Amino acid sequence: SQTIHQWPATLVQPVGSPLSLECTVEGTSNPNLYWYRQAAGRGLQLLFYSVGIGQISSEVPQNLSASRPQDRQFILSSKKLLLSDSSFYLCAWSLGQDKSPLHFGNGTRLTVT
Amino acid sequence: GDSVTQMEGPVTLSEEAFLTINCTYTATGYPSLFWYVQYPGEGLQLLLKATKADDKGSNKGFEATYRKETTSFHLEKGSVQVSDSAVYFCALSPGSGNTGKLIFGQGTTLQVKP
Repeated sequence: SQTIHQWPATLVQPVGSPLSLECTVEGTSNPNLYWYRQAAGRGLQLLFYSVGIGQISSEVPQNLSASRPQDRQFILSSKKLLLSDSSFYLCAWSLGQDKSPLHFGNGTRLTVT
Repeated sequence: GDSVTQMEGPVTLSEEAFLTINCTYTATGYPSLFWYVQYPGEGLQLLLKATKADDKGSNKGFEATYRKETTSFHLEKGSVQVSDSAVYFCALSPGSGNTGKLIFGQGTTLQVKP
């Protein structure tokens, strides 16, 4: 069966520091991969998605970037964090076919101080 | 563009009460519809889905029917438990040509009191 791992679970970083959040999927090949952000008490905002290695689509302009160095690895990065980057970040995967559901990781709670 | 609208929360119920969380959508084509549940501090879990009109998705006592005529996918449960307290998200996957992205509603918080 497929599993998704996302780490770290929580992270506290100072303003201006770099960021790297990692997500890996096991048990499937060539999944679509997604990074979502969820502000407190609010819905989900799609940040990036990828349909293959090295293929990244950005949904909103921001201080963040994403990379997919391997088929089942998706990384969310920033060179310099802002206070406004504090949020709950969720990685997800899907088969990429019509009508496929998304399967989410447990999320990373990022606090920028 | 495609969108999902959910009833605003929080919804507060007593244990064993009947639950309805309304969800309506706007979409071109023939979307699939989903309900996700998020427990505190966790990611989203797929609760149920329906892929075509008149389909009924069900899981763990929850049900939702894909109503094309009213563009709705309301979530229901006959008797809620304290453990059902969570945030519930309605979502749609657009029709063909989709990259797998889901469009989510804003979420509805459910609080069940003993």
